Amino acid sequence: AQSVTQLGSHVSVSEGALVLLRCNYSSSVPPYLFWYVQYPNQGLQLLLKYTSAATLVKGINGFEAEFKKSETSFHLTKPSAHMSDAAEYFCAVSDKGGAQKLVFGQGTRLTINP
Amino acid sequence: EAGVAQSPRYKIIEKRQSVAFWCNPISGHATLYWYQQILGQGPKLLIQFQNNGVVDDSQLPKDRFSAERLKGVDSTLKIQPAKLEDSAVYLCASSLVGQGNTEAFFGQGTRLTVV
Repeated sequence: AQSVTQLGSHVSVSEGALVLLRCNYSSSVPPYLFWYVQYPNQGLQLLLKYTSAATLVKGINGFEAEFKKSETSFHLTKPSAHMSDAAEYFCAVSDKGGAQKLVFGQGTRLTINP
Repeated sequence: EAGVAQSPRYKIIEKRQSVAFWCNPISGHATLYWYQQILGQGPKLLIQFQNNGVVDDSQLPKDRFSAERLKGVDSTLKIQPAKLEDSAVYLCASSLVGQGNTEAFFGQGTRLTVV
């Protein structure tokens, strides 16, 4: 069975600073990995996904993530934080690909300090 | 294009009462999902439909939860009777059929409070 662990339920960075949100996964088969963002009182929006092509995946809003099989990690980064990045971020894994049966981590709340 | 529509947005009920949520997926999306998101946790899949058939309901508490997708379009999720621990946001999502590059599009959710 797959699982996802997000290290740090809260992350706070200054505007313009590097954003790093950590995600480690467990999967018995080659995984499909996703990062979603959730703004207050909104549904989830896909930021980016890894589907066994390039290990460095670029997403929307300047975010990117790198798949590291040896570390079973899929950390999310953004070089320079913007106030509008404040939200909840969820890492998810699927063994079936695409939208099938996503297993989510517990989420990381990102706060941006002016 | 229109996104996934859910109603109501908020619902407060007493324990042991019944409640139903409605979802209208994106047009043409054959696959529909219901997720439960408890405060402070990530969403958990309750049930997945493909057209009007159930693909996965392994995490649906079938003694109190039921869901249907008549005609393969709209779906309803029902809880009867509700318990305090059912307080959560219920998210509906839809996607095209297939694996690999399919993406799930989420609605805004229904926030249920059981008192």
